Amino acid sequence: QLQLQESGPGLVRPSETLSLTCTVSGDSVTSTAFYWGWIRQSPGKGLEWIGSIHHSGSTISSLPLKSRVTISVDTSKNQFSLRLSSVTAADAGLYYCVRHGHGSFLLLITDWGQGTLVTVSS
Amino acid sequence: ELVLTQSPGTLSLSPGERATLFCRASQSLSSGYLAWYQQKPGQAPRLLIYGAASRATGTPDRFSGSESGTDFTLTISSLEPEDFAVYYCQQYGSSPTWTFGQGTKVEMK
Repeated sequence: QLQLQESGPGLVRPSETLSLTCTVSGDSVTSTAFYWGWIRQSPGKGLEWIGSIHHSGSTISSLPLKSRVTISVDTSKNQFSLRLSSVTAADAGLYYCVRHGHGSFLLLITDWGQGTLVTVSS
Repeated sequence: ELVLTQSPGTLSLSPGERATLFCRASQSLSSGYLAWYQQKPGQAPRLLIYGAASRATGTPDRFSGSESGTDFTLTISSLEPEDFAVYYCQQYGSSPTWTFGQGTKVEMK
C-alpha cells in the first residue's frame, strides 16, 4: 500500500526558502505511470496545486508560483522534494505531497500524504 | 483561467437525507475531466469521483456524480454519519491549469 510522508521545517522565515521532502513507500518514484507532486491548503486560498515531477524529468508548476518552485527527485532514497523560494506569509499552510496520474489523468490525485504544517514568521 | 464555483457553501442536513452539491465551471472542461474529493477534519482529501461520474475504488454507491455542460453535481443519496465532511471539485487532465473549487461543507443539522 502506498504511503507518502512529508518532512521538513515547520517554521520558515520570510524571504527564505521552504524545503520539504516526501518519502515514498509502496511504490517507486521511478514509476512511469504517475507524477509526484505538491499541493497546499490554507484558509485563504483553499486547495492549491504547486507543482509536480515525473521520473522522465518532466516538471510542471503552477504559473503563479513557477518562478519560485523547484521540484526534484532522489531515486536512491525514493523521495521527492519541494523548494519554494522567497516565502511570505501567503505561503503558510498545510503542504501535502501527492501522487497523481498523467496524460488524460494529469492532476487526478489518487494518493495524499497526511500533510505538514508550514508557518512563515520571523 | 478556469474557475470552479461550488454551491452552496454549507449544507445542513440530517442523516438519511439526500445531499446535492454543485460545481460550476467558468468554461467547458475537456471530456468531463472533473473529480470530487471528500475531506474530513484532520485528514487529507480523498478521491471520490472522477470523470464526473465514475466512482473511485472504495467509494460507496450512495455517492453519484453527473454533468450537464459546465454544471457538475455530486449527490449523496442518503447521508451516513461518516459523510459529514467538506467536498471539493477539481478539474484535471491535459489543461495547462488545474484548479479546485472552494469547497462545500456538509454539516449535521
